[in-house]
Amino acid sequence: DTAVSQTPKYLVTQMGNDKSIKCEQNLGHDTMYWYKQDSKKFLKIMFSYNNKELIINETVPNRFSPKSPDKAHLNLHINSLELGDSAVYFCASSRSGGRADTQYFGPGTRLTVL
Amino acid sequence: ILNVEQSPQSLHVQEGDSTNFTCSFPSSNFYALHWYRWETAKSPKALFVMTLNGDEKKKGRISATLNTKEGYSYLYIKGSQPEDSATYLCVGYQGAQKLVFGQGTRLTINP
Repeated sequence: DTAVSQTPKYLVTQMGNDKSIKCEQNLGHDTMYWYKQDSKKFLKIMFSYNNKELIINETVPNRFSPKSPDKAHLNLHINSLELGDSAVYFCASSRSGGRADTQYFGPGTRLTVL
Repeated sequence: ILNVEQSPQSLHVQEGDSTNFTCSFPSSNFYALHWYRWETAKSPKALFVMTLNGDEKKKGRISATLNTKEGYSYLYIKGSQPEDSATYLCVGYQGAQKLVFGQGTRLTINP
């Protein structure tokens, strides 16, 4: 069974469109995260949720809106997509968000904006 | 701002040789340090989490040490194998919950 899954794996879309990426974890974890892998291959945190509550909200454009319908899901909705949004987006989860908690990453979603 | 610096950025090692690389971080307000292994086209996988000064962790041929007073951690790989080729990420914390990733050390093992 896949612990952290993301859909879709690849997403190609036009500038200006609105799209969503879904993430689900079956580990029973309380905390979930979204990361963006930038052009230099750095991973940077975007958001984290603990039991459906927003904990970390980095300075990302407000076109990005996370939604957590329950603690097993954290979806990322992006409005008015721009060329610079092209990247690989990773979802992750950890048991409780504690500093010693291991993060489990999804396989990533490669977003290409044309 | 917590800066997590890794060196070298890339490393080529002959199969069978041992190697090590470094993660540096500010020594004040240390919380925890994680090492992840990230193979190309896959997602990062946890290797170690280290919390105490002097911690030493080992998993097979890979081990790590932690010095929180001077702000560094070493990752060692003994007898490198081609399957060790990956990017090794060091991750620290800024504040209570925000993870900060280093830029990684890309390790290539030459057969």
